[in-house]
Amino acid sequence: DIVMTQTPLSLSVTPGQPASISCKSSQSLLHSDGKTYLYWYLQKPGQPPQLLIYEVSNRFSGVPDRFSGSGSGTDFTLKISRVEAEDVGVYYCMQSIQLPWTFGQGTKVEIK
Amino acid sequence: EVQLVESGGGLVKPGGSLRLSCAASGFTFSSYSMNWVRQAPGKGLEWVSSISSSSSYIYYADSVKGRFTISRDNAKNSLYLQMNSLRAEDTAVYYCARGSGDGATQYYYYYGMDVWGQGTTVTVSS
Repeated sequence: DIVMTQTPLSLSVTPGQPASISCKSSQSLLHSDGKTYLYWYLQKPGQPPQLLIYEVSNRFSGVPDRFSGSGSGTDFTLKISRVEAEDVGVYYCMQSIQLPWTFGQGTKVEIK
Repeated sequence: EVQLVESGGGLVKPGGSLRLSCAASGFTFSSYSMNWVRQAPGKGLEWVSSISSSSSYIYYADSVKGRFTISRDNAKNSLYLQMNSLRAEDTAVYYCARGSGDGATQYYYYYGMDVWGQGTTVTVSS
């Protein structure tokens, strides 16, 4: 199974400041079709996960442009340019290039 | 509006069975792959099972293979998860989630999940 490792596991951010979460995979997520199958989800308190970013850097419909994803191969980053109160929750990366789908441990983001 | 509503969770004894359902609306259900993902209390996300749009391709996590069966009824816009031989470690919130991308091919799983339901809670305890 592909192991997904997120850092840090928790983050306390002042509103308006940037935040960054790293996700590393134990194998390359680059497929021969040229796509990289790395996703980011946010689970707000008491809610189901919601898709933020698909295929490394594509924002899902309705996701604010303060969220951005980058990376390649085995190293990926989710950045929030200016954290807002509504961004609190647990962020997960997930790989889908190989079954079983595997998720990172989650990064809990809270507001200072 | 795309909506997924799970039901069927509850308290069951070890070794027992439960059938979860997921009612879909707001999209052409028969065109999409569907998935079950679970989350144990205070833990992270764990993929359970996936099914292609026409049920041709079905996949399971090793932890549930041989005990759980995923199925769908496109005429009823519904997804199911039959869970047998339940164990304490199956205790979790079970989410139904729509697959992204082309739901018909063998590799539909590349495209992850885009919309999730609110979840239904399964508790396995004596």
